[in-house]
Amino acid sequence: QSVLTQPPSVSAAPGQKVTISCSGSSSNIGNNYVSWYQQLPGAAPKLLIYDNNKRPSGIPDRFSGSKSGTSATLDITGLQTGDEADYYCGTWDSSLSGGQGVFGGGTKLTVL
Amino acid sequence: EVQLVESGGGLVQPGGSLRLSCAASGFTFYTYWMSWVRQAPGKGLEWVANIRQDGSEKWYVDSVKGRFTISRDNAKNSVYLQMNSLRVEDTAVYYCARLMISVVRGVKYYYGMDVWGQGTTVTVSS
Repeated sequence: QSVLTQPPSVSAAPGQKVTISCSGSSSNIGNNYVSWYQQLPGAAPKLLIYDNNKRPSGIPDRFSGSKSGTSATLDITGLQTGDEADYYCGTWDSSLSGGQGVFGGGTKLTVL
Repeated sequence: EVQLVESGGGLVQPGGSLRLSCAASGFTFYTYWMSWVRQAPGKGLEWVANIRQDGSEKWYVDSVKGRFTISRDNAKNSVYLQMNSLRVEDTAVYYCARLMISVVRGVKYYYGMDVWGQGTTVTVSS
């Protein structure tokens, strides 16, 4: 079981919007920054969002992140077939001595 | 071009050892924290280890404490993961990543991992 909870899968049609949730607690999302990663089939993860809602250069504004309390959300608008991938949220969990880096279990996005 | 290239993976028997390497280029390596993340076959990401810019501070996930050692050589722009007493459950693709972190009055703020290598595969099997 992952410390951060994501839906196993989401789907939507091309051009539509999809939302991927990431639920945690006060020891992780509630008091630390959230990042989001896209992993295309057979590829390494790629940073999409850092510091809750910031996009690295080169990431289109179709991808946006937000955080409220102990949950975070990744929105993808104008879905394209090339967006089919696994998406992971990540943060630091301060509950244990020394803390622990944690990821969600991942969400598989299918573009119908 | 900012790049991380891992090497050193392979097939090893349970109880054996491997040393992974990650060569960095295109950025001022010595100014960044670095991390190792792994992904077991068909599974999600697991954050394994971090190392501070000068190597003075290290963190490990509980499952590898006492068995894995992260280190770096800033003169060679490289970070390493020495893996001893390997177990079947250590089988995974291992990625090195550049960690975005700031430390303010001793408090660490983790922003994310902005550069990832292509990964190297470690298989532990008899």
